[in-house]
Amino acid sequence: RKEVEQDPGPFNVPEGATVAFNCTYSNSASQSFFWYRQDCRKEPKLLMSVYSSGNEDGRFTAQLNRASQYISLLIRDSKLSDSATYLCVVSLASGYSTLTFGKGTMLLVSP
Amino acid sequence: DVKVTQSSRYLVKRTGEKVFLECVQDMDHENMFWYRQDPGLGLRLIYFSYDVKMKEKGDIPEGYSVSREKKERFSLILESASTNQTSMYLCTSASGNTIYFGEGSWLTVV
Repeated sequence: RKEVEQDPGPFNVPEGATVAFNCTYSNSASQSFFWYRQDCRKEPKLLMSVYSSGNEDGRFTAQLNRASQYISLLIRDSKLSDSATYLCVVSLASGYSTLTFGKGTMLLVSP
Repeated sequence: DVKVTQSSRYLVKRTGEKVFLECVQDMDHENMFWYRQDPGLGLRLIYFSYDVKMKEKGDIPEGYSVSREKKERFSLILESASTNQTSMYLCTSASGNTIYFGEGSWLTVV
């Protein structure tokens, strides 16, 4: 059974704070992992892929823990513009039809 | 840049009407998908297609059908719209490891 779980939040943080989200997945055969960002009433947009060795893009760091079957997203020095819903996306190796989206974690950054 | 275009952004339809949601992509992708997104339920796969004239059911195909007559166009059809089909519909195309989303179609069925 495909399942990707995320804390829906909202996470309320002040500007400049560091915040982390986790996403757990149930299928140990999952191969590809992504974080998407979705603004209110907009389509999701790719934030970053998640690699086994972990990867960083500016203030954003993504990590994968296969043993515990979760991925994480760390945002440092939060900006007001980071306020959005962050979707975790997981897929098996066998094609795009296996993409499973988490329901998203809402982040609200306040002044 | 890849563009996935959903021509109908906001629609209001009556119960029982036939509804067409069109999606066109300009990058010659073989893989196209229709999702719906609802509060608290996330994105759910309705139908997908890996090639022209090919279609496969996703997780929630009931009440929907699709058409893929040309590679660039993937249409979602609601044969007889019902109020529980009020939702945001997202079309995607995919290539390699990247998914490209359309801007979404907001459908309200009254």
